[in-house]
Amino acid sequence: DTGVSQDPRHKITKRGQNVTFRCDPISEHNRLYWYRQTLGQGPEFLTYFQNEAQLEKSRLLSDRFSAERPKGSFSTLEIQRTEQGDSAMYLCASSPRTVTNYGYTFGSGTRLTVV
Amino acid sequence: TQLLEQSPQFLSIQEGENLTVYCNSSSVFSSLQWYRQEPGEGPVLLVTVVTGGEVKKLKRLTFQFGDARKDSSLHITAAQPGDTGLYLCAGGDTDKLIFGTGTRLQVFP
Repeated sequence: DTGVSQDPRHKITKRGQNVTFRCDPISEHNRLYWYRQTLGQGPEFLTYFQNEAQLEKSRLLSDRFSAERPKGSFSTLEIQRTEQGDSAMYLCASSPRTVTNYGYTFGSGTRLTVV
Repeated sequence: TQLLEQSPQFLSIQEGENLTVYCNSSSVFSSLQWYRQEPGEGPVLLVTVVTGGEVKKLKRLTFQFGDARKDSSLHITAAQPGDTGLYLCAGGDTDKLIFGTGTRLQVFP
């Protein structure tokens, strides 16, 4: 069990550019979640997958954001036409079953800075 | 919209002191979890409580779930510098978690 891996750890991009982040969950976990966290605040839910199906998306996830989980394994989160307000830590988490009982295993996050 | 408010927002104490962090909501949750997060890392699960009134102990940490399953508390006895971090409560909502606003704890030697 190598835990949840996120890549890259840090990303600096210019406003208007597109960025893509990758998350590799624990292999036995069929649920995968994306959250966004700004400094000193709690994580905010963005979206989640059960296997390859995207089951819920937050209203925070504007049309510029898209997430995929092909084949129910790794996931990608893409942000198009980045804005300064997108600067945040993007966290990925996975869970084996019902999250309310099993909780999340988080990755170390990808810190995005839009300049 | 379900919200989880934590208090205090910041806590700065000396090693050996006791402290309590509160997590409150107007909504009922099926379970409540506590996580600790260190700078530059993802949160790490500390405990899950599922029954109203439940109390769980993890070494010097005591977690309680309110009878009505709307609130929770985390009590740390004899805090140590290694307890420093951001403490987050999270309520179970269908198949995802709603996180609280966070309490940043700093324990000085």
